[in-house]
Amino acid sequence: GAVVSQHPSWVICKSGTSVKIECRSLDFQATTMFWYRQFPKQSLMLMATSNEGSKATYEQGVEKDKFLINHASLTLSTLTVTSAHPEDSSFYICSATGSSPEQYFGPGTRLTVT
Amino acid sequence: KQEVTQIPAALSVPEGENLVLNCSFTDSAIYNLQWFRQDPGKGLTSLLLIQSSQREQTSGRLNASLDKSSGRSTLYIAASQPGDSATYLCAPGNTPLVFGKGTRLSVIA
Repeated sequence: GAVVSQHPSWVICKSGTSVKIECRSLDFQATTMFWYRQFPKQSLMLMATSNEGSKATYEQGVEKDKFLINHASLTLSTLTVTSAHPEDSSFYICSATGSSPEQYFGPGTRLTVT
Repeated sequence: KQEVTQIPAALSVPEGENLVLNCSFTDSAIYNLQWFRQDPGKGLTSLLLIQSSQREQTSGRLNASLDKSSGRSTLYIAASQPGDSATYLCAPGNTPLVFGKGTRLSVIA
């Protein structure tokens, strides 16, 4: 199956700083990528959808100026959490689709803001 | 807006038991339905994908059924093992996927 990677797998940052998470499709071209957030013992909540070369579409309640998404190529999307606060601590998971509608998920990034 | 409900929320069984996990969804206009497994602190592992035209799909000890018209799917796990312990997530498939809260399964040796 298709492989999606994320980097870093975990990150700790101080409150007020920004952190960037990368999502890469390793063996296929990802025309669309999705970013999810998961709090402990909760389900995955979709944050935004990004298409290569265009602006991301954010779900209601997700601040686009805080969670910057860039999908600059068919294999890479980045999520930057700006001015991070402890409440942004969560598990962030990306997924990607290519020529088929099946979504392939990355392994996730654990963000802890101190 | 698609809403997904998974029952039970948690389940603890002795090793060797057969078990059924239930998933219901409100919007039946879906392309497919996927079942995933998530281990604590980890990402998602796709277990089974059922196309909307199919009624069931099997992989090893796992069997998933889909009744699209009634908005239901079940995941059947035969002869459960401690290694099956994880959270199981159902995601009715339109892109992007919408997830239920999952069923936390513990299989006791």
